[in-house]
Amino acid sequence: AQSVTQLGSHVSVSEGALVLLRCNYSSSVPPYLFWYVQYPNQGLQLLLKYTSAATLVKGINGFEAEFKKSETSFHLTKPSAHMSDAAEYFCAVSETGAGSYQLTFGKGTKLSVIP
Amino acid sequence: DAGVIQSPRHEVTEMGQEVTLRCKPISGHDYLFWYRQTMMRGLELLIYFNNNVPIDDSGMPEDRFSAKMPNASFSTLKIQPSEPRDSAVYFCATQTVGVTYFGPGTRLTVT
Repeated sequence: AQSVTQLGSHVSVSEGALVLLRCNYSSSVPPYLFWYVQYPNQGLQLLLKYTSAATLVKGINGFEAEFKKSETSFHLTKPSAHMSDAAEYFCAVSETGAGSYQLTFGKGTKLSVIP
Repeated sequence: DAGVIQSPRHEVTEMGQEVTLRCKPISGHDYLFWYRQTMMRGLELLIYFNNNVPIDDSGMPEDRFSAKMPNASFSTLKIQPSEPRDSAVYFCATQTVGVTYFGPGTRLTVT
């Protein structure tokens, strides 16, 4: 069975500061890992994905994440926070199962950016 | 491509009424998922289809919930009868090459 743990349900950073959102996963097979962002009253938008290629993955809006197998982690970072980054971020893991890639989500981390 | 399309975007109904949520998937995507999002339980997978065939409905909470995919362009999630605890945001999502794309969701309020 697969699972995701996101440390910190709420993270606050100052504008221009480093953003670090933590995600740890468990999976019985090599996983695919994803970060999604959800703005208020909107659907989930794919930020980036790891699908067993390069371990450092770059996504949209300046975000990136590094897959660390030894730590079972996939933390999301951005060097400099912008006010528009305020949203909820979800880490997700998937395993192949009958050909599908069912996503299991973490509880989400709400990011606030302080001017 | 317009992405995954869901309708209605908002639905308010009274307890006991039938509710039907609709989804138009991205053309060519062979998997379709229905998720539910609540504050208490987060994002939960309800059911998914592969090439219009239901594969796993173990996440459907009760017999009051049913989902269909009559063709590759359309899917419905029906709740009959609805209850206040069904209030949530329901997302339809489709998948290709291992990547899932979400619709904007339907916010359901049952009073």
